[in-house]
Amino acid sequence: NAGVTQTPKFRILKIGQSMTLQCTQDMNHNYMYWYRQDPGMGLKLIYYSVGAGITDKGEVPNGYNVSRSTTEDFPLRLELAAPSQTSVYFCASRPGAGEKLFFGSGTQLSVL
Amino acid sequence: TQLLEQSPQFLSIQEGENLTVYCNSSSVFSSLQWYRQEPGEGPVLLVTVVTGGEVKKLKRLTFQFGDARKDSSLHITAAQPGDTGLYLCAESRQNTGNQFYFGTGTSLTVIP
Repeated sequence: NAGVTQTPKFRILKIGQSMTLQCTQDMNHNYMYWYRQDPGMGLKLIYYSVGAGITDKGEVPNGYNVSRSTTEDFPLRLELAAPSQTSVYFCASRPGAGEKLFFGSGTQLSVL
Repeated sequence: TQLLEQSPQFLSIQEGENLTVYCNSSSVFSSLQWYRQEPGEGPVLLVTVVTGGEVKKLKRLTFQFGDARKDSSLHITAAQPGDTGLYLCAESRQNTGNQFYFGTGTSLTVIP
């Protein structure tokens, strides 16, 4: 099993550009999450999903959108990139509530 | 709004010293997990605590869950340079089990 795979690893955007951060997992996990992490800080929940076709907002959803058309994939969309979205983004999954999270290796995004 | 407060935010100690980090919330936890994150990687689970008053040991690490399930601590005995990293607590709250929030983090540096 590859686990949780995120692409790309690094990306630089100009203000106003759009992009999609990809996340896929091959563990058949129902729960998937997107977090952002600023330097030296904890992770903040952006969006999460409890299964295909179901998504919900976390703490900091503004400026982002998600979709969950399959169990495996949970892409994160930035529509109009802003400097405040410069951060490291982590995708994670887990089999069910109360279980541990499995993390991807992260995407470092800079918006200039 | 950060729901989980960790203290201290930064900690730098000499090899061999003991330390304790804390995780506090105004809400009752369903369960609480501790993760360690090294630079450039996603967090990795250390332990899950579920029962109020529970104590778990993982080699030189001792985890305690408060009786009221609103706080937790991590104690490291005889710290080693390999303990260096960002320590994060994370929780599902009783009435929002699908969401999963992380604390503000404690950045630990152990100096040889």
